[in-house]
Amino acid sequence: SQTIHQWPATLVQPVGSPLSLECTVEGTSNPNLYWYRQAAGRGLQLLFYSVGIGQISSEVPQNLSASRPQDRQFILSSKKLLLSDSGFYLCAWSKDRGTDTQYFGPGTRLTVL
Amino acid sequence: ILNVEQSPQSLHVQEGDSTNFTCSFPSSNFYALHWYRWETAKSPEALFVMTLNGDEKKKGRISATLNTKEGYSYLYIKGSQPEDSATYLCAFNSGGGADGLTFGKGTHLIIQP
Repeated sequence: SQTIHQWPATLVQPVGSPLSLECTVEGTSNPNLYWYRQAAGRGLQLLFYSVGIGQISSEVPQNLSASRPQDRQFILSSKKLLLSDSGFYLCAWSKDRGTDTQYFGPGTRLTVL
Repeated sequence: ILNVEQSPQSLHVQEGDSTNFTCSFPSSNFYALHWYRWETAKSPEALFVMTLNGDEKKKGRISATLNTKEGYSYLYIKGSQPEDSATYLCAFNSGGGADGLTFGKGTHLIIQP
């Protein structure tokens, strides 16, 4: 069976510090991978998606970047965090298309102070 | 920018009562509509993926209907139980490809014993 891992579970970082969140998927190959964020009072917002190694699509301009160095690894980064980067970050994977269920990881709670 | 609206924002229901809530989405460029249940401290859990106008899906006491022509979906819970307490999210996919989902803000359901 497939599992998806995220770490860390919680993170408190000062403004201006770098960020690296990691997501890995087990039990499947060539998954589509996604990063979502839920900011306070808002719905889940798609940040990035990837259909393969090195292929990243960004949905909204922001202070964040994503990379996919391996088939089942997805990393969310920032060089300098802003207060507005605080939120709950979820990684998800799916098989192929928009009709396929997306399976979510446990999430990372990021607080930028 | 795709707009997915859910109502009501929150809902208190007595145990044993039935309830329903709404998701509205753009009626053009429809590909799929997803429903998720998100319990506190857990990952969003997929309930249904619906693609055809008039679709009706059922999972235990939970069911959903879809009207793509007018752009809405209803989620029904029959005989609510305390374990049904969660936030229910709907998400819209317009591309059919690997691009991600546009989520509503969710309906927060509280079942009162």
